[in-house]
Amino acid sequence: GQQLNQSPQSMFIQEGEDVSMNCTSSSIFNTWLWYKQDPGEGPVLLIALYKAGELTSNGRLTAQFGITRKDSFLNISASIPSDVGIYFCAGLRPFQGAQKLVFGQGTRLTINP
Amino acid sequence: GAGVSQSPRYKVAKRGQDVALRCDPISGHVSLFWYQQALGQGPEFLTYFQNEAQLDKSGLPSDRFFAERPEGSVSTLKIQRTQQEDSAVYLCASSLERGLTSSNEQFFGPGTRLTVL
Repeated sequence: GQQLNQSPQSMFIQEGEDVSMNCTSSSIFNTWLWYKQDPGEGPVLLIALYKAGELTSNGRLTAQFGITRKDSFLNISASIPSDVGIYFCAGLRPFQGAQKLVFGQGTRLTINP
Repeated sequence: GAGVSQSPRYKVAKRGQDVALRCDPISGHVSLFWYQQALGQGPEFLTYFQNEAQLDKSGLPSDRFFAERPEGSVSTLKIQRTQQEDSAVYLCASSLERGLTSSNEQFFGPGTRLTVL
């Protein structure tokens, strides 16, 4: 099935470093979402973006909805051990009807203490 | 608990066996979704219910997959004659409202990990 192009696939960083990941698509989306998934759990919503150009923060997390509506990025500042996990972007297309999410392949974040 | 629950959490099936996966959504949630997550991949949409009506089943990979939500609450995803390629985590999600609203967050369950031998 079609998925969003998410990069990088994995990141190995030191505690305290900032993190940046992004998602791109050849199609327009009218909503971008960022989720975090811990082992053995379902994805949990971190940030939702509803307007092109929107920049939204949630604590140490900041995400932006690209102006072309075909991309989004997520930044995590001053990473801590509990940030470890897999991060997914997800999008909703115009006229999709129900909230049929399209997900990226995920970015696996590992933090060295 | 107040969240979405799924059972069983783990299921091992022999190829050709039928399986049934259960989802208990958050009480009062109108919409219910099933997703399939292969190892190392993001979830992929399977099907969507609004109350008891199955409004979209475009993501079901074959006619061996069947989902129902007869009373508009609990849902069951059934896979007949399982194949090795069906091995994946099956996630259920529910949301409060129907339609496309900006605050219509989907809450995910922990998933059922299906392994077909």
